[in-house]
Order: sequence, then C-alpha cells, then structure tokens
Amino acid sequence: AQKITQTQPGMFVQEKEAVTLDCTYDTSDQSYGLFWYKQPSSGEMIFLIYQGSYDEQNATEGRYSLNFQKARKSANLVISASQLGDSAMYFCAMRLQTGANNLFFGTGTRLTVIP
Amino acid sequence: DAGVTQSPTHLIKTRGQQVTLRCSPKSGHDTVSWYQQALGQGPQFIFQYYEEEERQRGNFPDRFSGHQFPNYSSELNVNALLLGDSALYLCASSLEGYEQYFGPGTRLTVT
Repeated sequence: AQKITQTQPGMFVQEKEAVTLDCTYDTSDQSYGLFWYKQPSSGEMIFLIYQGSYDEQNATEGRYSLNFQKARKSANLVISASQLGDSAMYFCAMRLQTGANNLFFGTGTRLTVIP
Repeated sequence: DAGVTQSPTHLIKTRGQQVTLRCSPKSGHDTVSWYQQALGQGPQFIFQYYEEEERQRGNFPDRFSGHQFPNYSSELNVNALLLGDSALYLCASSLEGYEQYFGPGTRLTVT
C-alpha cells in the first residue's frame, strides 16, 4: 500500500527566509512520481513541483525546490525567500506510474509566513 | 483557457438525501478524477473516469457513483447522505497519464 507522511502539522517562517516542509513516502513500486501542492483557504489545489523516481537531479521551480532522497524515501519541499502569500496548506502526494494516475496525499502542513 | 470548474460552490443537504456535483475539465483534458477532502485531512481518491468509463476506484462505498459525458465533463453522485460525507469535493482533470489540475472544489455540508 502507498502512504505519504507529513509530520509537521504547522510551520512558521519569517518573511524572506527559507523553510523546509518534510515528506516521507512508502511504496514497493519502483516507478512513481512525487508532487507538492499548495492549498490556500479558497480550497483549490495548486501544483508546485514534480519529481520522478528516476530523475537524478532534484526538481526546481522558481522559489520551490524538492530535496529528493530516494534511499530514505523522503521528498522535502524547500521554499526560498518566503512571501506572505506563501501562507497556506501544503500537501505532498505520490502517484504510481502504472495503472490509473490517482494521487495519494499526506495530511498536509500549514505554513504561516510572519511579516 | 478556462481551468477546471466545479458547481455548485457550496451545498447544504440533509441526512438521507442525494446530491450531484458537477465538474468541467480543463480544455483538452480527457480524464477526470474525484477526491474527498475531510476537514483537516488530505484529499482521498474516490474514482477516476476516462472515455466515459470508471477506470479506477478508491475505498468508497457504492453510495458514491459517477458519470462522464462525451464532452469529458463529469458528475459525482452521493446517495443516502451521512453526516460523515461532509467534506470538500475536489475534481481534477488531466490528459491521460499526465499531471492533474484541480478545480476549486464543492463544499458539501450534511446536517
């Protein structure tokens, strides 16, 4: 069975500082993808970044980077230069590359950026 | 280019009633997935539709059913509503096998 674990229910970060949100996963499949989504209070899930299990380089998208450590089964999200608009729920998710492409989500981390 | 749209935005129903939620996928997408997000939880996969067929289903009872139309839009139906069905229902569309794009969700309250 697939499982995503996010152990930080809430995190605080000072504006303009960097923050790391933790994510560990469990799967016996060799081929999978890892995602991070942002969910503001409006409810919509906004895609941030993707890492494939065979990608050798860590993914980066602007201020977002994914610290992928395959042997440890971790996929932490790093947000650099935090902005007030980054305050939201953040979800880590996994998708297997075989079968339907449904996502398995963690329980999320609420990030609050302090001015 | 319109993204994924869902209707209604909010809905209040009584226990035992039935509800239908609607989703229009992003232009060019042929696959629609539905997720239930209870308060304080991550989204849970309900089912996915592709080519008007249910392709995969999560661990949800038969009270949850769906449909996909020839224009790829989709409906989620829930019968015999329970208090525990209160949640945010998210629709996501994709081009088969690729990244999912989410709609704003429908917040269902069962009283």
